[in-house]
Amino acid sequence: DQQVKQNSPSLSVQEGRISILNCDYTNSMFDYFLWYKKYPAEGPTFLISISSIKDKNEDGRFTVFLNKSAKHLSLHIVPSQPGDSAVYFCAASDNNDMRFGAGTRLTVKP
Amino acid sequence: DSGVTQTPKHLITATGQRVTLRCSPRSGDLSVYWYQQSLDQGLQFLIQYYNGEERAKGNILERFSAQQFPDLHSELNLSSLELGDSALYFCASSPRGQARYYNEQFFGPGTRLTVL
Repeated sequence: DQQVKQNSPSLSVQEGRISILNCDYTNSMFDYFLWYKKYPAEGPTFLISISSIKDKNEDGRFTVFLNKSAKHLSLHIVPSQPGDSAVYFCAASDNNDMRFGAGTRLTVKP
Repeated sequence: DSGVTQTPKHLITATGQRVTLRCSPRSGDLSVYWYQQSLDQGLQFLIQYYNGEERAKGNILERFSAQQFPDLHSELNLSSLELGDSALYFCASSPRGQARYYNEQFFGPGTRLTVL
């Protein structure tokens, strides 16, 4: 039962370019969405979130876009930096549950 | 350092055994969440406690149980262990309990469980 899917297990981009990570969900009851970043041997850290009443939320180099009709969200990182290399998890929640995608490993090459 | 501590860091045990993982939340946080990350899967939410009471339940097996104590630390008990239970188990804490505040979760470093 994969209610949240990240179909790209990995992504490689050049430093300075845009990184776009995608996430799809199936449960229309989800109304709050989050992105987490995870470095090896560490727990995930919260990156950015978006409520279903918005379609965009921006925080510095990170922007999350939400397309409710398509049940799709994406994380844009501009410009990408080598320190952004990590695994990125998207998550979707309602009041009672939270589901994570399998993660996308982003590699930013210098 | 997120302020969330988990012990032990590593645990190696055999099938059929029982283990207890411990989590101490950040000072002042009332909610504790448990997650499992298997080798080829993303994070799976297991269970949430808020101020000692179960608040939300995810994909937690019946062989697993958790509790949150009056001092707010939490334990995750895994019994009748199977090879497939080998995973990283993360604990997270947050000040509040509602889903709107999931962005306030701080994760611990995890406990790596290996079942042989």
